[in-house]
Amino acid sequence: NAGVTQTPKFRVLKTGQSMTLLCAQDMNHEYMYWYRQDPGMGLRLIHYSVGEGTTAKGEVPDGYNVSRLKKQNFLLGLESAAPSQTSVYFCASRTGGWYQETQYFGPGTRLLVL
Amino acid sequence: DAKTTQPTSMDCAEGRAANLPCNHSTISGNEYVYWYRQIHSQGPQYIIHGLKNNETNEMASLIITEDRKSSTLILPHATLRDTAVYYCIVRVDSDYKLSFGAGTTVTVRA
Repeated sequence: NAGVTQTPKFRVLKTGQSMTLLCAQDMNHEYMYWYRQDPGMGLRLIHYSVGEGTTAKGEVPDGYNVSRLKKQNFLLGLESAAPSQTSVYFCASRTGGWYQETQYFGPGTRLLVL
Repeated sequence: DAKTTQPTSMDCAEGRAANLPCNHSTISGNEYVYWYRQIHSQGPQYIIHGLKNNETNEMASLIITEDRKSSTLILPHATLRDTAVYYCIVRVDSDYKLSFGAGTTVTVRA
């Protein structure tokens, strides 16, 4: 199993450009998450999904949109990138059930917005 | 979710036990204590979790005080590869999400 993979690994954008980050998991997990991590800080939840076709807002959802059209994929979109969105983005997934909170994380996508 | 307080940083000698404290004085009865770690530039990695009993797995032990207001993560024989940021998180059992704070930066020295 590849686990959780993220595409791309690194990207440079200009202010106002758009892009989509792809997260894929091959563990048949129900729940998927997008976090961002700024230098020296912990992770902050952007959006999450508890199943195919569902999404919900996390702590810092503004400026981002997400979609979960297929169970194995969770897409994070930036419609108009801003320098404040320069960060490392991590995707995670876990099995369903309230008792299971072992999240498996991807390697991250480093985004620089100029 | 209850907030947690961890030291900003700590050092540990290689081969010795590393004891990482976490205060969660406002924890409620249905909140679990989770520990994750993040090795430089990588995604966080699950370590262990517990409700009120002490827990042990192949990576670490978790000791939760009887009043549940604090806990300690123990890495029994720290290695250089254990150098990482360690996050203590409390979470309601029915909640879907974790909230990561700043964590403790642990440096294992040879």
